[in-house]
Amino acid sequence: DTGVSQNPRHKITKRGQNVTFRCDPISEHNRLYWYRQTLGQGPEFLTYFQNEAQLEKSRLLSDRFSAERPKGSFSTLEIQRTEQGDSAMYLCASSLALPRDNEQFFGPGTRLTVL
Amino acid sequence: GNSVTQMEGPVTLSEEAFLTINCTYTATGYPSLFWYVQYPGEGLQLLLKATKADDKGSNKGFEATYRKETTSFHLEKGSVQVSDSAVYFCALSGGSSNTGKLIFGQGTTLQVKP
Repeated sequence: DTGVSQNPRHKITKRGQNVTFRCDPISEHNRLYWYRQTLGQGPEFLTYFQNEAQLEKSRLLSDRFSAERPKGSFSTLEIQRTEQGDSAMYLCASSLALPRDNEQFFGPGTRLTVL
Repeated sequence: GNSVTQMEGPVTLSEEAFLTINCTYTATGYPSLFWYVQYPGEGLQLLLKATKADDKGSNKGFEATYRKETTSFHLEKGSVQVSDSAVYFCALSGGSSNTGKLIFGQGTTLQVKP
């Protein structure tokens, strides 16, 4: 299967702990996006990479959040000193950067629960 | 900033009924518009899209027309099936931004009863 994969699928942690999620995009896709989805809401944009460059970050992304895509392939999203309000589904998506072919393909998400 | 507003759910229909889910948007420039679907236990999937005014996107019997004059992109299906039960998200990208990031509505849950 060559779709977008995310690991882990579920993460339960205690408040104050650090967590890291991984996203593996579709191999030929140069754009990678992170979104956060809380219950009953649509996904909200967090950040975006084109190749290894992080080109945009949402104001939702506090200083406790950091994302990397070191070789322009997989990406990691780290949350430091987690808070209960960080509990959400974290979605990754990838796409090409072509004006006529930029459909985003989503991974299954990582569900974070902060106790 | 750019935003998307969808009709609130849940929407409950009987099989073979006509479906409309309203979606309106606010955006600068000329955004692309999308409908994504999330089936129970699955990830988001693109259902259809339209990239310019008056374009009609269609897939699996669903249709939506990009109406710039009313800033709308309503989703319709003539005859729903139980298997269409899912959460539907309207979204936009582009306009004044070229990053491709998606801005989603809050989602509308559709339940189709046999």
